[in-house]
Amino acid sequence: NAGVTQTPKFQVLKTGQSMTLQCAQDMNHEYMSWYRQDPGMGLRLIHYSVGAGITDQGEVPNGYNVSRSTTEDFPLRLLSAAPSQTSVYFCASRGLAGGLDTGELFFGEGSRLTVL
Amino acid sequence: QKEVEQDPGPLSVPEGAIVSLNCTYSNSAFQYFMWYRQYSRKGPELLMYTYSSGNKEDGRFTAQVDKSSKYISLFIRDSQPSDSATYLCAMSADSWGKFQFGAGTQVVVTP
Repeated sequence: NAGVTQTPKFQVLKTGQSMTLQCAQDMNHEYMSWYRQDPGMGLRLIHYSVGAGITDQGEVPNGYNVSRSTTEDFPLRLLSAAPSQTSVYFCASRGLAGGLDTGELFFGEGSRLTVL
Repeated sequence: QKEVEQDPGPLSVPEGAIVSLNCTYSNSAFQYFMWYRQYSRKGPELLMYTYSSGNKEDGRFTAQVDKSSKYISLFIRDSQPSDSATYLCAMSADSWGKFQFGAGTQVVVTP
């Protein structure tokens, strides 16, 4: 199993450009989420999904869109990039292991985004 | 004010010492508590997961939760240079809810 895979690992954008961060998991997890990590702020939840076709907002959703058409994929779209969106983005998934909820979030390696 | 407060450090200790980390929180509804370890340029990975109050031990790691004081701790015994990382606390009111993360404490264990 690859776990949670994020692409791209690095991206530089100009203000106003749009892009999509990809996230895929092969653990058949129902729950997927996107966080951003900034110095001194910790991890902040952007959007999350509890299953295909179901998404909801987290703590800092403005400027981001998500959709969940399959169990495996949960892309994050930046509609019009701003310098304030310069950050490291992490996708995380969570599910049942052997019928039990272990509570564990499995994180990807992160995507470093710079908006100029 | 943040719901979860965590001292960012850095916390520098000599090899073999006990590392003591803690988080305070304001939401009395939190009852699921986790500690994650994050190496530089990597994603966080789960270290400890506890429900409600009490202690939990796993090898060199001990997690403590004091809900009356809204305070959680992580202790690392016999610290090793490989323990050098950022440690994040996380907590939630329900098992499938939104987890609130602390800012993370950077730990450096020197040989």
